[in-house]
Amino acid sequence: QPQLQQSGPGLVRPSETLSLTCTVSYGSIGRESYFWGWIRQPPGKRLEWIGSIFNNGNTYYNESLKSRVTISVDTSKNQFSLNLSSVTAADTAVYYCARHRTVRPFDPWGQGTQVTVSS
Amino acid sequence: EIVLTQSPGTLSLSPGERATLSCGASQSVDSNYLAWYQQKPGQAPSLLIYAASTRATGIPDRFSGSGSGTDFTLTVSRLEPEDFAVYYCQQYGRSPYTFGQGTKLEIK
Repeated sequence: QPQLQQSGPGLVRPSETLSLTCTVSYGSIGRESYFWGWIRQPPGKRLEWIGSIFNNGNTYYNESLKSRVTISVDTSKNQFSLNLSSVTAADTAVYYCARHRTVRPFDPWGQGTQVTVSS
Repeated sequence: EIVLTQSPGTLSLSPGERATLSCGASQSVDSNYLAWYQQKPGQAPSLLIYAASTRATGIPDRFSGSGSGTDFTLTVSRLEPEDFAVYYCQQYGRSPYTFGQGTKLEIK
């Protein structure tokens, strides 16, 4: 079972871009046929899937965030990343990375990163 | 998108009791691609059940899932102290993947 370790700032200013990275240990993003996804949990709200990427770079996003989201993968570093542009206070949430296959649930998950959008 | 509604919002029980948690879907869940997760404070969700009724690796058999179509249930047969947490259902058969709002299982 791989381990997913998240990194990135916990505070982002309004209108700027939120950037997070998830590094995979004990597994190879490039060699394994998995999707790598991002999910967030705003305070007091339900979990929300943001989008996912395959190791060849193919992506699919939640339409509700699609215009502001970019997910990328760097197989040489065994990492994948989330960029969310033009953030507002509504983007304040705990952000998680996770692995999944087609029609399979998210497992395992990263440890989570609390991101607050505030000036 | 498929909206998942969990009930009850909070369930208060004692160790040793049986817990029954429900998850209802606004549309039929494709091929019963329905998962249950457990989340403890300060931790990420962890997978318990997938395909509505298949336990994930290492999950004790006191956890069981059932249901199909639009109605699903997670049952914990005999509650252990470590089972008190928040539980989420999720459908992963159709994009966007969606989650229920959660059921908090608390000690009575």
